[in-house]
Amino acid sequence: GENVEQHPSTLSVQEGDSAVIKCTYSDSASNYFPWYKQELGKRPQLIIDIRSNVGEKKDQRIAVTLNKTAKHFSLHITETQPEDSAVYFCAAGDYGGATNKLIFGTGTLLAVQP
Amino acid sequence: DTGVSQDPRHKITKRGQNVTFRCDPISEHNRLYWYRQTLGQGPEFLTYFQNEAQLEKSRLLSDRFSAERPKGSFSTLEIQRTEQGDSAMYLCASSPLGRGPYGYTFGSGTRLTVV
Repeated sequence: GENVEQHPSTLSVQEGDSAVIKCTYSDSASNYFPWYKQELGKRPQLIIDIRSNVGEKKDQRIAVTLNKTAKHFSLHITETQPEDSAVYFCAAGDYGGATNKLIFGTGTLLAVQP
Repeated sequence: DTGVSQDPRHKITKRGQNVTFRCDPISEHNRLYWYRQTLGQGPEFLTYFQNEAQLEKSRLLSDRFSAERPKGSFSTLEIQRTEQGDSAMYLCASSPLGRGPYGYTFGSGTRLTVV
């Protein structure tokens, strides 16, 4: 069935270091890969997304890479700051396809130590 | 407020009782989704509406669960005969028509505790 695996489940970095979160998806029809940030007690918020027609997308300190052959995609955060501390979820979906749901990973708790 | 609104924010109910949650999507968004999130997990898809039509339902949505979106605006999610396993955060999201799963905006959720 459809599945998105996410690693690591927790990640602790020093302020200023980089953080990388990796996801693997199973459904070959997936062509849309968003990343959400969820702070404690708050709603998930979209921070960046990528479609399968590109291999990399960058927005300031955040970048996402996609390897469609291997069905891997990753979130890279550079120059981490304490306010980056949150749970990050990857997801996969079929943009423009028959289904409109997103399949989410299990989340990564990122802690940025000052 | 132009975001997705959910009501109530918190609900504590006794096992066996029925509960109903409401979601008001962003007004110009035709697509509305319900997800369930348990502690330490990512959101799990429950159901999807395009306008008033319920077009997709997850197997997670047992016959105790029902969702409606009668006029294509707000939506309700009802759980009958609640069980402790129903305790979770219920999230609503909306997106504009024509964008598939793209452009989701989530609400703040309703946290259900079944005691």
